[in-house]
Amino acid sequence: DAGVIQSPRHEVTEMGQEVTLRCKPISGHDYLFWYRQTMMRGLELLIYFNNNVPIDDSGMPEDRFSAKMPNASFSTLKIQPSEPRDSAVYFCASSFGNSPLHFGNGTRLTVT
Amino acid sequence: KNEVEQSPQNLTAQEGEFITINCSYSVGISALHWLQQHPGGGIVSLFMLSSGKKKHGRLIATINIQEKHSSLHITASHPRDSAVYICAIYSPDSNYQLIWGAGTKLIIKP
Repeated sequence: DAGVIQSPRHEVTEMGQEVTLRCKPISGHDYLFWYRQTMMRGLELLIYFNNNVPIDDSGMPEDRFSAKMPNASFSTLKIQPSEPRDSAVYFCASSFGNSPLHFGNGTRLTVT
Repeated sequence: KNEVEQSPQNLTAQEGEFITINCSYSVGISALHWLQQHPGGGIVSLFMLSSGKKKHGRLIATINIQEKHSSLHITASHPRDSAVYICAIYSPDSNYQLIWGAGTKLIIKP
C-alpha cells in the first residue's frame, strides 16, 4: 500500500484565497484524522472521521475551516478565506480501529 | 503542567551509542504512541503500546503503567536516527484525542 497520500505537498497562497487540502487514507482504514502542526502549538487534532462520518470537530479553529469525507478513500480540508495565521503543516492520518496511526507526509501551507 | 512530559528535550550523541528517551504522563491512559518526525517533516508511528515492551529492529519501547512512564531506546544509533521523537497518549476519555509531548530532538553524529 502506498500509505496515506496528501496533496499538495506545498501550498503558497495569498490571504483571502480558498485553500483545499486533500487526503487519501490507507485502503481499509476506518478512521481519518486531520492534524495541524505549528511551532507555537505543536500538533493539534482538528477533526476526525469514523466510517466517513465526522465524529469530533471541536479542534477546528473557526468557521473558516471545513472538512469533508465523501467516501472511504478521500477527504478534504478547506480553509475559506485563508489568513496568515493559518500557515502551518497540515497532516492527515488514518487507522483501522485503535491500531497505530499512519501519517501522510503533510501539506506545508503558507498564507501571505 | 503538561500532561505528557518528555526528557530530554534535546539529545546529541555519537554514532553507536545507546539512546534513551523518556516519557512521563500524569493521567490514566488506554495506549501510548511513540512517533518519529524526520527533518523533512514526515511523521511515522513507531509503536503503540499499552503494557510491557515492544521491539522493532534497533528500537525498543517499554511502558510501566503503575509508574506512568515509558521509554524509547535505540541501540547502535546511527545518523539516520536523527529526528524528533514524540510521545503521545490516548486517555480513556479522550475519544481519539492524542495528548502530545513536546518531542525530543535527537542528533546522532557520525
